[in-house]
Amino acid sequence: GDSVTQMEGPVTLSEEAFLTINCTYTATGYPSLFWYVQYPGEGLQLLLKATKADDKGSNKGFEATYRKETTSFHLEKGSVQVSDSAVYFCALSETNAGNMLTFGGGTRLMVKP
Amino acid sequence: DTGVSQNPRHKITKRGQNVTFRCDPISEHNRLYWYRQTLGQGPEFLTYFQNEAQLEKSRLLSDRFSAERPKGSFSTLEIQRTEQGDSAMYLCASTPSTEHYGYTFGSGTRLTVV
Repeated sequence: GDSVTQMEGPVTLSEEAFLTINCTYTATGYPSLFWYVQYPGEGLQLLLKATKADDKGSNKGFEATYRKETTSFHLEKGSVQVSDSAVYFCALSETNAGNMLTFGGGTRLMVKP
Repeated sequence: DTGVSQNPRHKITKRGQNVTFRCDPISEHNRLYWYRQTLGQGPEFLTYFQNEAQLEKSRLLSDRFSAERPKGSFSTLEIQRTEQGDSAMYLCASTPSTEHYGYTFGSGTRLTVV
């Protein structure tokens, strides 16, 4: 079945540092890929998405590129802020599976001033 | 429309009791999903509806769990004879049924079984 693997956290960075959170996936078809973010005390929010190979999703300074050859969708940000502290979830969805999401285990990011 | 609404936010119940949660999706969204999230883990799919039809159920959804979406609007998730292992955050999400734009999640209902 489909699965998503994320790097384990927590990831602790200083403000303005470069961020990478690794995500790899296994899927039977051609999934859409997503990053969701969960800020403390809040619900999951869609951060960015990509629907086909080589697509780049971007939002709020975060980027991720759909790499079919390496089955990866790594999240990057050039300069993190304290307000980026949250849990980040990588997820995939296959259209022929009712758009159900399969999530990774989440990576907690802590940004220190 | 302010998004996906879930009630209650928190529920504490004794083992063996029945509980029911409610989800009100975004009104124009045809699809509604239920997920369960335990501490430190990613959400796991439970079931989903397209309009009033329940189209898929996970093997995680034992016979003690039942979900409904009468008239294709709000949905309820009932857990009968709760067990301590049912303690989790129960998340509801909705989305238009055509392309996958990404879900809109509610804030969840946190269930604690004591």
